[in-house]
Amino acid sequence: GNSVTQMEGPVTLSEEAFLTINCTYTATGYPSLFWYVQYPGEGLQLLLKATKADDKGSNKGFEATYRKETTSFHLEKGSVQVSDSAVYFCALTSDSGGYQKVTFGTGTKLQVIP
Amino acid sequence: NAGVTQTPKFRVLKTGQSMTLLCAQDMNHEYMYWYRQDPGMGLRLIHYSVGEGTTAKGEVPDGYNVSRLKKQNFLLGLESAAPSQTSVYFCASRIAGAVYEQYFGPGTRLTVT
Repeated sequence: GNSVTQMEGPVTLSEEAFLTINCTYTATGYPSLFWYVQYPGEGLQLLLKATKADDKGSNKGFEATYRKETTSFHLEKGSVQVSDSAVYFCALTSDSGGYQKVTFGTGTKLQVIP
Repeated sequence: NAGVTQTPKFRVLKTGQSMTLLCAQDMNHEYMYWYRQDPGMGLRLIHYSVGEGTTAKGEVPDGYNVSRLKKQNFLLGLESAAPSQTSVYFCASRIAGAVYEQYFGPGTRLTVT
């Protein structure tokens, strides 16, 4: 079946540091890949997505590239801010094996300190 | 558009009581989902629906029932609440098809004493 593995958190960074959150996946077919962000006390919201190999998703300074050869979708940001403190979830859907469901990673908590 | 809304936002139940959580979406999405989120455990799928009148079990369906009588609404019921059901519950919806993202509601914080 499908699965998503994220690096364990929490990740603590100083403001303006470089961020990488690793995400690797296992899936049948041709998955679409997503990063969601959850701010304290809120629901998840889409941060970015990529729907085919070599696509780069980007939003709010965050980027992730769909790497089929390494089955990865790592999230990066060049300079984090305190306002980026949140929990980040990597997720996928696949057009085989039942694309109705979404497979989530366990989430990585990011804390940015001034 | 209001997006995905959930009612109520907070609730405290005694063990054995019942309740229904309501999820509504105004985006005409075919798929709807109920998740629970517990500390350190990410999101776990309870039940989902791929269209009006259809429902299916997710990873953790025991102790919950759902109904989708109207396309825009997805109800989650707890017939006899247990302390293990203390959690934050999220509803989500999306367009049918692998490339589309989910839209989440703000969550319902449920405590069972």
